[in-house]
Amino acid sequence: EAGVTQSPRYAVLQEGQAVSFWCDPISGHDTLYWYQQPRDQGPQLLVYFRDEAVIDNSQLPSDRFSAVRPKGTNSTLKIQSAKQGDTATYLCASSLLGINQDTQYFGPGTRLLVL
Amino acid sequence: GDSVTQKQGQVTLSEDDFLFINCTYSTTTYPTLFWYVQYPGQGPQLLLKVTTANNKGISRGFEATYDKGTTSFHLQKASVQESDSAVYFCALVDPNTGNYKYVFGAGTRLKVIA
Repeated sequence: EAGVTQSPRYAVLQEGQAVSFWCDPISGHDTLYWYQQPRDQGPQLLVYFRDEAVIDNSQLPSDRFSAVRPKGTNSTLKIQSAKQGDTATYLCASSLLGINQDTQYFGPGTRLLVL
Repeated sequence: GDSVTQKQGQVTLSEDDFLFINCTYSTTTYPTLFWYVQYPGQGPQLLLKVTTANNKGISRGFEATYDKGTTSFHLQKASVQESDSAVYFCALVDPNTGNYKYVFGAGTRLKVIA
């Protein structure tokens, strides 16, 4: 089966510009996660969905970040006005409710550089 | 809140050396514990998972034991290869919350010299 796919793989922006990241989870997976991974750090959860509903967005900087999953499949994470501190890799992961629902499958990530 | 600590930022070994990567955790319950491995340009991928029910995980020559007494989950491998060079993350999830949110450690970069 195809894994989690993300695009673009790389993005370079000036401060103040907007950017969107796209994620296609593993087919049939109902839960989708977005993580931010700063250089040389572990992934940190931003937001996650079950189907189209946001379950937890408490770590999402709501003034500039937004995430949607309108049909419960693909998802988009958007940064409205990027800052240098947003430089990181943005990872998408998915999982399936059931016996192994605690196992997440990660995409390759989008590496963002904000100048 | 829950936390995971990996004290070693980088480990450098020669091929066939023994690997030991330290991981300790802090929670109010008994979590499910994971080791993920991340190769350059890729997302993390599951290496092994251990619950309170099974205590020890083994995968691809790696093993980790769930030690409730010392709240540790160290990763070991008897003989590393150059292809094992990657970043290793320890993580936990609290199965009692029902939300399956991962808490990751900072990661340990393993470099194996041929």
